Amino acid sequence: GAGVSQSPSNKVTEKGKDVELRCDPISGHTALYWYRQSLGQGLEFLIYFQGNSAPDKSGLPSDRFSAERTGGSVSTLTIQRTQQEDSAVYLCASSFPASGNREGKNIQYFGAGTRLSVL
Amino acid sequence: DAKTTQPNSMESNEEEPVHLPCNHSTISGTDYIHWYRQLPSQGPEYVIHGLTSNVNNRMASLAIAEDRKSSTLILHRATLRDAAVYYCILPFSGNTPLVFGKGTRLSVIA
Repeated sequence: GAGVSQSPSNKVTEKGKDVELRCDPISGHTALYWYRQSLGQGLEFLIYFQGNSAPDKSGLPSDRFSAERTGGSVSTLTIQRTQQEDSAVYLCASSFPASGNREGKNIQYFGAGTRLSVL
Repeated sequence: DAKTTQPNSMESNEEEPVHLPCNHSTISGTDYIHWYRQLPSQGPEYVIHGLTSNVNNRMASLAIAEDRKSSTLILHRATLRDAAVYYCILPFSGNTPLVFGKGTRLSVIA
C-alpha cells in the first residue's frame, strides 16, 4: 500500500522567504509527526498531531515554524522568513491510533523527507 | 524515553552475521524496545520491537537480556543494502514522538 508521501523532495529557497512542506500520511493513521534532521545530526522532534486534539508544539524551535493538519489527514509545515540554520531534511511520520496500540507499539512510518536548503 | 547507549559505529563483512548491541539499564517494566534503521537519503524505517522474549521477523532478530537492561539486534546475513544507521529506542506507550539518539552506523564491506 501507499506509504507516507512528502513533497517537494527538495526545496531551495532564499533567506527570508517563506516555505511550505507537505505531508500525506498513511490512510487511517490519526497520529502525525514532524521531525527534522540537520546535516550529520540526529532526528529532532518538531510537532505532533493526534486526532482532533490540540497539537504538541513543544519541539518547534521558534515562532517562525508552524504546522496545520487539515481534515485529520494532510499536514503542512510552514517556515516563515527562513534562515540558513533552517537548512535540514524535514521528515514526516504517521502511526496507527493509540487505541490500537495497547501494547505500546507506537510504530511510526516515515516519509523520505524534504531536503530544504536556504541560501 | 528511557536512555539507550549504542556504539557509534560497527563494521561487518557481507554475508556475515551482525550483532548490534544496545544498553538500556534504566528501562522500566513496561518499556518496549524498538529498533529503527535509516538508510542513506531515506527516512527511518521500523525494524523490530520486543518486550521480554526474543523476537524474529523477516528483517532481523531481537535478543533481549533476561534482566532487560540490554538487547541485541541481529542481522543474520549482512548485505550491502543493510548499511545504515541503526537506532535503539524505548518509546513511551501510545502515540508519542520518538527520541532518536546517535545510533550505530553500520558499514558492510563487500
